[in-house]
Amino acid sequence: KAGVTQTPRYLIKTRGQQVTLSCSPISGHRSVSWYQQTPGQGLQFLFEYFSETQRNKGNFPGRFSGRQFSNSRSEMNVSTLELGDSALYLCASSLYGTSAQETQYFGPGTRLLVL
Amino acid sequence: ELKVEQNPLFLSMQEGKNYTIYCNYSTTSDRLYWYRQDPGKSLESLFVLLSNGAVKQEGRLMASLDTKARLSTLHITAAVHDLSATYFCAVDGTDKLIFGTGTRLQVFP
Repeated sequence: KAGVTQTPRYLIKTRGQQVTLSCSPISGHRSVSWYQQTPGQGLQFLFEYFSETQRNKGNFPGRFSGRQFSNSRSEMNVSTLELGDSALYLCASSLYGTSAQETQYFGPGTRLLVL
Repeated sequence: ELKVEQNPLFLSMQEGKNYTIYCNYSTTSDRLYWYRQDPGKSLESLFVLLSNGAVKQEGRLMASLDTKARLSTLHITAAVHDLSATYFCAVDGTDKLIFGTGTRLQVFP
């Protein structure tokens, strides 16, 4: 069974630009969560999607948005990039999400560098 | 707001030694997860602990959960170099995982 895949793996952008990251969950998984990992703030929850609906959202500004498609693939978008958005962005998938007491399986991440 | 703390933040240990990583969390939760992250890599699930008193073991790692004390431990037995990585605990914070700060483990000969 293929794992969680994320594209692109690496990305370099400049301040003010926008970026879209993609995540394909494990086949059959309907929940996709996104996390931001930085040396200073650690791992922080961005949002979770389940069956194309955002089910939960972390404490991030509105520049961070996401969506989920009918095939459970998810994208997150960051507009008006800031230097502080440089991070490793991880997505995780599971059948029904953490509320179902399941393990979340993480993808390899997208490393974003904002210059 | 749920907070998760790990200690130590950094652990340098000799091969063959035993040590324990601690994970404390601030509010009631019955579910706790342990993950491993190698440098530049993603998170690998190690254990899912779903009830008070739960204990799980895999190789040289053993995890336990005390929900009354809001404490989980990850015990390392007879460490080997391959265990060098960063270990995270995470607590279910209602449809999202709240991660600890991570413990960077370095095992040397």
